[in-house]
This record gives sequence, C-alpha cells and structure tokens, in this order.
Amino acid sequence: AQKVTQAQTEISVVEKEDVTLDCVYETRDTTYYLFWYKQPPSGELVFLIRRNSFDEQNEISGRYSWNFQKSTSSFNFTITASQVVDSAVYFCALSDLKLVFGAGTILRVKS
Amino acid sequence: DAGVIQSPRHEVTEMGQEVTLRCKPISGHNSLFWYRQTMMRGLELLIYFNNNVPIDDSGMPEDRFSAKMPNASFSTLKIQPSEPRDSAVYFCASSLPESPWRANEQFFGPGTRLTVL
Repeated sequence: AQKVTQAQTEISVVEKEDVTLDCVYETRDTTYYLFWYKQPPSGELVFLIRRNSFDEQNEISGRYSWNFQKSTSSFNFTITASQVVDSAVYFCALSDLKLVFGAGTILRVKS
Repeated sequence: DAGVIQSPRHEVTEMGQEVTLRCKPISGHNSLFWYRQTMMRGLELLIYFNNNVPIDDSGMPEDRFSAKMPNASFSTLKIQPSEPRDSAVYFCASSLPESPWRANEQFFGPGTRLTVL
C-alpha cells in the first residue's frame, strides 16, 4: 500500500539551529516521485523539490538540502541555520499511481 | 503572472445548502487538482483533470461531491447537500503539461475555507 509517514508532528528550534524533517514512504512501484511542499501561516502550499525514484543524488539549494535513500525509503529534508521565516508546516508527498501527502510536520523557529 | 485563483476565500453555510467552489488555474497549465485539508485527515486529493477531462476521481468522498471543468480556465467543485463534516479548506492546484502528470510540480491556490453549520 502507498503511504507517507512524517513521524515528527511538531519541532521547535531556536534560530540558527539546523533541523531535519523526516519522511518515510512505502510503495510497491519502482517508478515514483517524491516531493516536499511548504505551507506557511498564510495557508498556500509552495513547492520545494521533486525527486524521481531513479535519482538518488542528494540536492542542496541554499540553506535547504534533501537526502534521498531508497535503501531506507526515506527522503529527509534539512534546513541549515534556520530562520524565523522557515516556520511553517512541511509536507512530504509520494506520487506513484496515486498522489499521497504525509500528515505534515509543524516547524516553529524561535528568535 | 497571476497564480491559481480560488473563490470564495471563505464560505459559511448551513447544513443542507449547496456550495460551489471556484478555481481558475494558471494560464497554460493543463492539469488541475482539487484537494481537501482537515485536521483529522490531512491533505487529500479529491479529483484530477487533464485537458479538462476528469482522470481520477477516486478521492471524491461521496456522491454529494461533484467537480467540473468546462474549459481550460475554470473549474468548480460542488457539494450538495453540504454537511458539517464537509468543513475544511479546499485547495485547487494546477500544473504544466508534463508527462507523466504525477511527476509535476503543482502550483496551489490560496484555498477556500468552508464552514458548514
């Protein structure tokens, strides 16, 4: 069955700390896509990254980095030197034959 | 460029009433998605259109829900009759014509917050 688990319901950090958001997925398909979206307090969802199942290369974009490991079915997201503006709900999503979102992780960055 | 436009932004109605939510996708996008977000169930995909044709409506919860896309620039999600458990934030999203659809980055609208009393 298709499933995305974000075990961390809520994380609180102090500004400038690094923080990693975990995402574990389940799928029977060999071809699939993984996404991270950010939902700031304003409510809209914003695309952050897409990764396909054949590309395990990790990616860095500014303070954001993603670690994709097929062996552990994980697609974790790290924010380096967190800022208050990073406070949001972060969703991991899996797309194979269906599109499923995880429950989300609330990140609170305090100044 | 304008993003995905949804209206109304907030809707309060009474149980049994018909509710119509509207969405205008980004120009040039040929895929459109309707989602529902609640605390209990999280973010759920309700239905997906490609080139105005409904491709997957398996997420539509009941017959009370229906969605249409009469042209490339407009879609509606209708609930009739509405019930209190339909209270949620409903998002519309669109994406560029890439293949396969499930690989696409989606652009979300601001959502419609529906409250059914």
